[in-house]
Amino acid sequence: GDSVTQMEGPVTLSEEAFLTINCTYTATGYPSLFWYVQYPGEGLQLLLKATKADDKGSNKGFEATYRKETTSFHLEKGSVQVSDSAVYFCALRIEAAGNKLTFGGGTRVLVKP
Amino acid sequence: DAGVIQSPRHEVTEMGQEVTLRCKPISGHNSLFWYRQTMMRGLELLIYFNNNVPIDDSGMPEDRFSAKMPNASFSTLKIQPSEPRDSAVYFCASSYTDRGAYNEQFFGPGTRLTVL
Repeated sequence: GDSVTQMEGPVTLSEEAFLTINCTYTATGYPSLFWYVQYPGEGLQLLLKATKADDKGSNKGFEATYRKETTSFHLEKGSVQVSDSAVYFCALRIEAAGNKLTFGGGTRVLVKP
Repeated sequence: DAGVIQSPRHEVTEMGQEVTLRCKPISGHNSLFWYRQTMMRGLELLIYFNNNVPIDDSGMPEDRFSAKMPNASFSTLKIQPSEPRDSAVYFCASSYTDRGAYNEQFFGPGTRLTVL
């Protein structure tokens, strides 16, 4: 079946550090890939997405590139801020499944001043 | 735009009691999703509806759980009887499903359920 694997957290960083969260996937079809972010006490929000190989999604300084050859969609940010502290979820969608998403386990990121 | 509305935001109940969680999706959306989030199991899809019809309920844990969507603007998730292991945050999300194209799921703020 379809699945998403993320690096386990928590990831603790200092402000202005470089952030990478690894995400790999297994899918029966050709998926679209997403990163969602959950800030404390809130629901998930879409951060960025990519729908085909070599696409790069970007938003709020975060980037992720769809790598079909390595079945990966790693999230990166060059200089994190305290406000980036959140849980980040990688997810995939197979078109035949409508808008159903398969989520990874989530990675908690804590940025210290 | 009010977003996805969930009620109650917090619920504390005793084991064996019936619990009903409510969700109002964004107006115009035709897909609705119920998720459960726990530390141990992460984010799990319980059930989703398309045009008020349940499409996939394979994530519903057991017969104690049931979900309904009587119309396009309201859904309930019921647990009867509740057990301590049901303690979790339950999220509702909605989206507009059109043939082929993906449209973002919008999440509600969640209901934190504690079963004593």
